[in-house]
Amino acid sequence: DVKVTQSSRYLVKRTGEKVFLECVQDMDHENMFWYRQDPGLGLRLIYFSYDVKMKEKGDIPEGYSVSREKKERFSLILESASTNQTSMYLCASSRDAGEQYFGPGTRLTVT
Amino acid sequence: AQRVTQPEKLLSVFKGAPVELKCNYSYSGSPELFWYVQYSRQRLQLLLRHISRESIKGFTADLNKGETSFHLKKPFAQEEDSAMYYCALSEMNRDDKIIFGKGTRLHILP
Repeated sequence: DVKVTQSSRYLVKRTGEKVFLECVQDMDHENMFWYRQDPGLGLRLIYFSYDVKMKEKGDIPEGYSVSREKKERFSLILESASTNQTSMYLCASSRDAGEQYFGPGTRLTVT
Repeated sequence: AQRVTQPEKLLSVFKGAPVELKCNYSYSGSPELFWYVQYSRQRLQLLLRHISRESIKGFTADLNKGETSFHLKKPFAQEEDSAMYYCALSEMNRDDKIIFGKGTRLHILP
């Protein structure tokens, strides 16, 4: 059974803080993704990675960066958190262009 | 540019009535289409994909290339079908990204 875990379910940070969101998958998937989920806007892709140390920008990469030092771990970094980054963040992994497996999500509030 | 459109943000249906969640896409190549579902307090998960041609939890979806649609249907709604549904498209033979629609919240009325 594929397992994608995220480091926190809920996170509250102050404006300007550096924020790290961690995602780990245990199925040896090559691909990993970070999305944000907002009501009325659906899922928007922030960054994705096809392999270790590789990253590609998604649709809304501004204000975010990522790191993939190991195959199983994909980190999302908010360099300087802002209130408009308050959202639900979802991590996913996949073996190919088929099914993506999602983590439980991290609800981030920036005050 | 490729796009997935779900015209309804909210769909309310009485229990036992038929359900149809609409999805239209724009893509010039050979797409693979999916429906994902997120039940309350659960993670987003795959419901079905067009290449498998399966019926999952009574739901079916047929890819209509002429109308560029992939509507999700169920003949008799159940209360446990209440959830958020996302239609999604993958560009076959390109990269492994999936493009999601904005989602439709299905509310089953008792």
